Amino acid sequence: DAKTTQPPSMDCAEGRAANLPCNHSTISGNEYVYWYRQIHSQGPQYIIHGLKNNETNEMASLIITEDRKSSTLILPHATLRDTAVYYCIVRLQGGSEKLVFGKGTKLTVNP
Amino acid sequence: NAGVMQNPRHLVRRRGQEARLRCSPMKGHSHVYWYRQLPEEGLKFMVYLQKENIIDESGMPKERFSAEFPKEGPSILRIQQVVRGDSAAYFCASSPLPSNTEAFFGQGTRLTVV
Repeated sequence: DAKTTQPPSMDCAEGRAANLPCNHSTISGNEYVYWYRQIHSQGPQYIIHGLKNNETNEMASLIITEDRKSSTLILPHATLRDTAVYYCIVRLQGGSEKLVFGKGTKLTVNP
Repeated sequence: NAGVMQNPRHLVRRRGQEARLRCSPMKGHSHVYWYRQLPEEGLKFMVYLQKENIIDESGMPKERFSAEFPKEGPSILRIQQVVRGDSAAYFCASSPLPSNTEAFFGQGTRLTVV
């Protein structure tokens, strides 16, 4: 079972920041938070991951709370092409740990 | 560097036939994962393979399903005697050795059993 809880759906206006929350209250000290997205039945796409520090790349920012029990994925300027299901996943880095997908958040970016 | 290649993209099989799904990982990747996505559901892990070895098959149905990743050639997910409930999208992901910080997914094979 997934170790994360996400809202089933969210809406965002085009050009605005999209803030997607994720709860992972049972995360252990050596588990990372990963975010993937799936655009309309395509293969999932890696977005970003982090352990405890905030992370930023060309796609998004990841804010992890100090107690690491929750995190927020931020898409700074959402576009229509960001409409997708976003999955927050907790896993160990390295080794053979598989990805356990939950139901994710369906983000709809509106014009 | 080509991405993860899956073929065919769409596959139609009659009940009782065999389905073979192929996955060519990214160059230099020797870890392959297979996931299944039933209609309107999330992705479920099936099996994890390295070259010539099955590492974790905890998500594979006990019967009719098998997977391999030979020394040469693509990884194959084989479904024997398909039933309507096997209709789903099957995704393959690959990651490099030894780190698997991120997994790269293919575009999937959509299997329809009629």
